[in-house]
Amino acid sequence: AQTVTQSQPEMSVQEAETVTLSCTYDTSENNYYLFWYKQPPSRQMILVIRQEAYKQQNATENRFSVNFQKAAKSFSLKISDSQLGDTAMYFCARPDNNAGNMLTFGGGTRLMVKP
Amino acid sequence: DAGITQSPRHKVTETGTPVTLRCHQTENHRYMYWYRQDPGHGLRLIHYSYGVKDTDKGEVSDGYSVSRSKTEDFLLTLESATSSQTSVYFCAISKEGGYGYTFGSGTRLTVV
Repeated sequence: AQTVTQSQPEMSVQEAETVTLSCTYDTSENNYYLFWYKQPPSRQMILVIRQEAYKQQNATENRFSVNFQKAAKSFSLKISDSQLGDTAMYFCARPDNNAGNMLTFGGGTRLMVKP
Repeated sequence: DAGITQSPRHKVTETGTPVTLRCHQTENHRYMYWYRQDPGHGLRLIHYSYGVKDTDKGEVSDGYSVSRSKTEDFLLTLESATSSQTSVYFCAISKEGGYGYTFGSGTRLTVV
């Protein structure tokens, strides 16, 4: 089975500072997508950022960026200028192309942004 | 989220009773998924569908069944609810290729 691992169950950061959330995964495929989702207390799953494995350039979305290391199977999320509204659970996920493109999720990282 | 709705949003039921959760989409996407979310486990796949009447099991399918008689509806049934099935259930949809996914708002199910 495909696995996705998030090694940091909880993290905290001061408002306006930068924080990095880690994610590693396994795969035998060469081309695939990777995702970071945010889940605030409302429990809605919100897409933060998406990376295509064949693209060398790291994806960025405003204050959110990734460090994608394909050979190392690492996909970390960097949040710059952290805001109180960034407080949430964050999940790393990747599709399994051999199982209906089902998403496999990591266990999540609970991020607390402190004022 | 736009294009996908789950019902009910909350439900409390007694052990041993049948329960059906509904996922409805208006996007005409081929793939539909049911996940459960428990503390420390992230989201785990229960069942998925790749077309009308085409379904397959996921990682945690024991005690659950699904049906998809129309493109837009994907039903999750707990034939005889147990306390271990207390969880938050999410439905998701996607097109081909694993490019993008849309999640419903979730159903919090409590089995007492």
